[in-house]
Amino acid sequence: DSGVTQTPKHLITATGQRVTLRCSPRSGDLSVYWYQQSLDQGLQFLIQYYNGEERAKGNILERFSAQQFPDLHSELNLSSLELGDSALYFCASSVATGRAGTGELFFGEGSRLTVL
Amino acid sequence: GQQLNQSPQSMFIQEGEDVSMNCTSSSIFNTWLWYKQDPGEGPVLLIALYKAGELTSNGRLTAQFGITRKDSFLNISASIPSDVGIYFCAGDPNTGNQFYFGTGTSLTVIP
Repeated sequence: DSGVTQTPKHLITATGQRVTLRCSPRSGDLSVYWYQQSLDQGLQFLIQYYNGEERAKGNILERFSAQQFPDLHSELNLSSLELGDSALYFCASSVATGRAGTGELFFGEGSRLTVL
Repeated sequence: GQQLNQSPQSMFIQEGEDVSMNCTSSSIFNTWLWYKQDPGEGPVLLIALYKAGELTSNGRLTAQFGITRKDSFLNISASIPSDVGIYFCAGDPNTGNQFYFGTGTSLTVIP
């Protein structure tokens, strides 16, 4: 158990809909990352938050947005869903102090999104 | 974004054999991480490397941070069936903790 909690584990929805994925980081971790993994693909970095503020953006579509709340949990919002958005969405957390030697990512078990 | 080339893409080996895989980048990284992912589950951190030349072991796994800081290697000795899975490398080009992942090496161990 990594200590990172993601909900829901599975989600099935229709095209055009909107969903929200939730992540609770490990206790003490200030940074949350979101990754997308399509079938048999690698992990694509979407976005990173640190202590409530956006720190880095990757290949995140404009239809997707995220935020990190004061209690450090994060939500990833996916709207106007398309078939191609079907994927595993992983949240990871780290201490992320910016100092060398502190950068270890711990992943949740993922949310599997199926868009029909 | 950063490109990490991981090889080989897949490996089929006999139980008991040793395994080697590597990851290279076009730029210098300050941190290298190695993960294992089982189907439908989240990646699990195996080894973290923070210094060029560093060699770190975790049981039968050994990983090295390349001297050039543009590559990293993972070795698995005496493979067993539960080693089956996809192994990912991840690198952070700076201490901002922004990690980029390799494309993965799929390992199959034949009993």
